[in-house]
Amino acid sequence: IAGITQAPTSQILAAGRRMTLRCTQDMRHNAMYWYRQDLGLGLRLIHYSNTAGTTGKGEVPDGYSVSRANTDDFPLTLASAVPSQTSVYFCASSVSSEGTDTQYFGPGTRLTVL
Amino acid sequence: GQNIDQPTEMTATEGAIVQINCTYQTSGFNGLFWYQQHAGEAPTFLSYNVLDGLEEKGRFSSFLSRSKGYSYLLLKELQMKDSASYLCAVCDSNYQLIWGAGTKLIIKP
Repeated sequence: IAGITQAPTSQILAAGRRMTLRCTQDMRHNAMYWYRQDLGLGLRLIHYSNTAGTTGKGEVPDGYSVSRANTDDFPLTLASAVPSQTSVYFCASSVSSEGTDTQYFGPGTRLTVL
Repeated sequence: GQNIDQPTEMTATEGAIVQINCTYQTSGFNGLFWYQQHAGEAPTFLSYNVLDGLEEKGRFSSFLSRSKGYSYLLLKELQMKDSASYLCAVCDSNYQLIWGAGTKLIIKP
């Protein structure tokens, strides 16, 4: 692994189903982030983690949960998917949680909720 | 509220120069980023400005005026591969990144 990976690449999901998007980084970065990107809107922060064992809510956290059991992994869970959660999801990481550090992005997961 | 404004779309000709503007109103300022995002791909870092002035990096330059809440990204000698969206993001007083919606740049031969 080099950098940051996400799985799956894309997914079609029935409304009401539970889904976990996976994110793994091998750069030993302390901070990790989950964003959603919708047409015409900027990247919107869902949840973040400043370091392993801690998480925080971003701009649009409702309907999503995260965990950070170790440095490398930061999964995002949709407990009961709704069509408005159709989006492209990007995971990112940075050396520290200071916003002045460059964020490195994974390739994204395209999620469609029907 | 916090706001980042960028043009939605711009068109330029191969070999030419284009300037993509970004204006911002945020609670505090701790730097401004430019990222490039090709269609269907992840954003990748281009530049970071925290002091006023112009920073040049090859064909790309980024300018910042903190007093005016304004930045621009200047792309010279445009190539077809520069067709992408360019995202402006500001780090606010809480060290959170506020993202603009991005400018889609179309390069024509």
